[in-house]
Amino acid sequence: AQRVTQPEKLLSVFKGAPVELKCNYSYSGSPELFWYVQYSRQRLQLLLRHISRESIKGFTADLNKGETSFHLKKPFAQEEDSAMYYCALRSGNTPLVFGKGTRLSVIA
Amino acid sequence: ETGVTQSPTHLIKTRGQQVTLRCSSQSGHNTVSWYQQALGQGPQFIFQYYREEENGRGNFPPRFSGLQFPNYSSELNVNALELDDSALYLCASSPGDRVSRETQYFGPGTRLLVL
Repeated sequence: AQRVTQPEKLLSVFKGAPVELKCNYSYSGSPELFWYVQYSRQRLQLLLRHISRESIKGFTADLNKGETSFHLKKPFAQEEDSAMYYCALRSGNTPLVFGKGTRLSVIA
Repeated sequence: ETGVTQSPTHLIKTRGQQVTLRCSSQSGHNTVSWYQQALGQGPQFIFQYYREEENGRGNFPPRFSGLQFPNYSSELNVNALELDDSALYLCASSPGDRVSRETQYFGPGTRLLVL
């Protein structure tokens, strides 16, 4: 069965510090991995997907098939990065499977 | 371009009642998916509709049903409400016909409380 694990419910960092939000998944095939973000009072929105290999708002994420991880990283956290972050997986025709989310709090 | 809208924003029901939640897809999108997000959890897939037909379903009982209309708006119906149905219900639309290929655009959600 597909599963996404985000081990941290809450992550607090100081402004300017590096950020790493952890995501591990279980799936034996070739999954597609995503990070979604929900800012306060806003709707859930796609942040980035691994196949795009892009950096959005300074965030990057690398798919590590050996470690079955897709950690989200940013070298210097900003206050506006404070939000709820969800890692999600899908493969083939399957729908998105979400983790439970990590709340990032950036302290000024 | 109009985004995904959902109504109502929140409502309260009692056990055993029935509820209908509504979703209007983003302009140009013909696929809609519904998710349930319980408190402290990530969204969980309920089902998906493409061109008025259900073409994917998650692990939810039959009392969760849906409809998609010719204008691609959608309804989620839940019968015989249970306390555990209390959650945020999210609708997401996408332009394609396959869950696996398209970016989904989420609505703001409907918060349902069952007493």
